[in-house]
This record gives sequence, C-alpha cells and structure tokens, in this order.
Amino acid sequence: KNEVEQSPQNLTAQEGEFITINCSYSVGISALHWLQQHPGGGIVSLFMLSSGKKKHGRLIATINIQEKHSSLHITASHPRDSAVYICAVTGAGSYQLTFGKGTKLSVIP
Amino acid sequence: GAVVSQHPSRVICKSGTSVKIECRSLDFQATTMFWYRQFPKKSLMLMATSNEGSKATYEQGVEKDKFLINHASLTLSTLTVTSAHPEDSSFYICSARDLAGEAHEQYFGPGTRLTVT
Repeated sequence: KNEVEQSPQNLTAQEGEFITINCSYSVGISALHWLQQHPGGGIVSLFMLSSGKKKHGRLIATINIQEKHSSLHITASHPRDSAVYICAVTGAGSYQLTFGKGTKLSVIP
Repeated sequence: GAVVSQHPSRVICKSGTSVKIECRSLDFQATTMFWYRQFPKKSLMLMATSNEGSKATYEQGVEKDKFLINHASLTLSTLTVTSAHPEDSSFYICSARDLAGEAHEQYFGPGTRLTVT
C-alpha cells in the first residue's frame, strides 16, 4: 500500500510570499493529484501529474518520479489561497486515490 | 471543466431514518464514481467504488448493507445511509471519472454534510 506523506502539516505565510508544499510517496504511481479543500468542504482538483511540471496561474506543480516526490508552489500568495492542500496518488492499474493528510495553509494579509 | 454535483449539500436527520445522497456528473459520462467519507480534520477515506450497471466494491470495514450504493446511469450514483446513527454524521464526498477523459482524472463533488440527531 502506498504511503503518502505531506509536509508541512500547517503553514502560515504573509501575503505575497512564495509557498512550497511537499509530497512524497513510497510506491510507484500512475498519477499524482494536488487537490484544494476550502473551509466549506468542497474539493477542487488543481493538477494531475505523471511527469514533469504543470503551471496554472500562480500555481506550479512538479513531480520527480525517480525520487517519488512532488511539490506544489504558490507564487505571490493571497489570503484567498488559504485552504487545505491535499496530495493524492493513484497506483499502477488502479483508479483509486490514496490521500496524504493535507497541509493547512493560512495566508495573512 | 467537468462538473460534479451533490444533493443535498446539508442534511439533518433523526436517528433510525435513512438518507439518500445523490452524485451527478453534469457534463460528462462517468462509468466509475467513488464515495468518500471525511471526519473533522482528517483526510478522505474511500468507502466504495461505484460502477455503472454493476455492484459497488466496498472497502474493508464499510458495511454494504448500511451504505447502499446504486449507479444506475452514466451520470448518477446514489449513496443511501440506512438506519442512520449519530456516528454516521460526517462529510460525504463523491468523485467521478470521465469516460472520455484522461485515465486518472477525477472530478470531485462539493460534498454533503450529514448530521444525525
């Protein structure tokens, strides 16, 4: 079974700061997902990666398959980025997600 | 982008009653939908995988007679919590795979908060 570890668990940043959230996993995967969950509970899929790097607006996600590691970066952070960010992976031959415990981000004005 | 809806968004019911939660893919067809449960400040826990036209696959420890899942069409899956008890109070989220989309892409619903009194 894949173990997904995220760090840090909690992160407080000043508005405008560059933020990095890390995710590592223990077993080879088919894809890695970065999800965002706001206090209301709904989940938004930010990225799905199987290699390399993806960028969407101020968000950048990278993955290193050899090192079994992914990072989510937020540039010019804003209070509206405050949320829980969850890393999840799908294993080879499966569509089921294994979730990390999430990183709670608070961006202070 | 692909949209998944859930209904209701919040429900309060009395102990012993049954509650049905709907998960719909609004602009795509989903042969597979997943049902998750989330306890406060915890990560999502997969309850079951719902496949259109066949029986759901339940995760270990999830009672299939208590959490009835029906996936009768390519756009709708339902989760019925039968004889609900206060310990069933939780946040329930579904996700759906787009039949025509990338293999591992999943789209999440907004969730349903169930409170059993």
